[in-house]
Amino acid sequence: AQKITQTQPGMFVQEKEAVTLDCTYDTSDPSYGLFWYKQPSSGEMIFLIYQGSYDQQNATEGRYSLNFQKARKSANLVISASQLGDSAMYFCAMREGRVSGSARQLTFGSGTQLTVLP
Amino acid sequence: GAVVSQHPSRVICKSGTSVKIECRSLDFQATTMFWYRQFPKQSLMLMATSNEGSKATYEQGVEKDKFLINHASLTLSTLTVTSAHPEDSSFYICSASSLAQETQYFGPGTRLLVL
Repeated sequence: AQKITQTQPGMFVQEKEAVTLDCTYDTSDPSYGLFWYKQPSSGEMIFLIYQGSYDQQNATEGRYSLNFQKARKSANLVISASQLGDSAMYFCAMREGRVSGSARQLTFGSGTQLTVLP
Repeated sequence: GAVVSQHPSRVICKSGTSVKIECRSLDFQATTMFWYRQFPKQSLMLMATSNEGSKATYEQGVEKDKFLINHASLTLSTLTVTSAHPEDSSFYICSASSLAQETQYFGPGTRLLVL
């Protein structure tokens, strides 16, 4: 079974509108972390936001917020007030297990290509 | 966020040659570095995990003799693609993390083209 599922291969949003990128995950580990990265056409992976499984509140970072619904195992990324520069590929990723001893690997979803329209 | 550099950003080589890619953490000590490969319009696939001072752990299907990884210090890991062939052409990207961090920080990636 897929550990990280992103069901939207492509999304379009009008500039200044909000957009939600979907991500569902599958794990039996009670301790895990969820990440969103942005990859523009240049290829670099830009860290956007992190949510820990034990965090009580949804993570927010500027225009990015993570809608964490633990029971549904979803971690959707919400981008408010979209800008043209937000056009990029967005990846959801999960780290299972508590960080101890050495960092643990990330499992990535297939990504969502977001295009912001002027 | 933490800064990770990767060099070279782009390399073109002839089939049969070896290519070395460097990954450096510039402002933190990376106890663990990860090497990923990404084909066009696909997700990142983990190739190997390297911890400073120990041998790398390779993912299933990744040839350790072809993709040599050295993590000699807390700020540098290298990936050497030995006897490169056209099918090795891809985007290679590293990430680094430390014990104190939840997040992996990525380098800018290296585009390898083998002719």
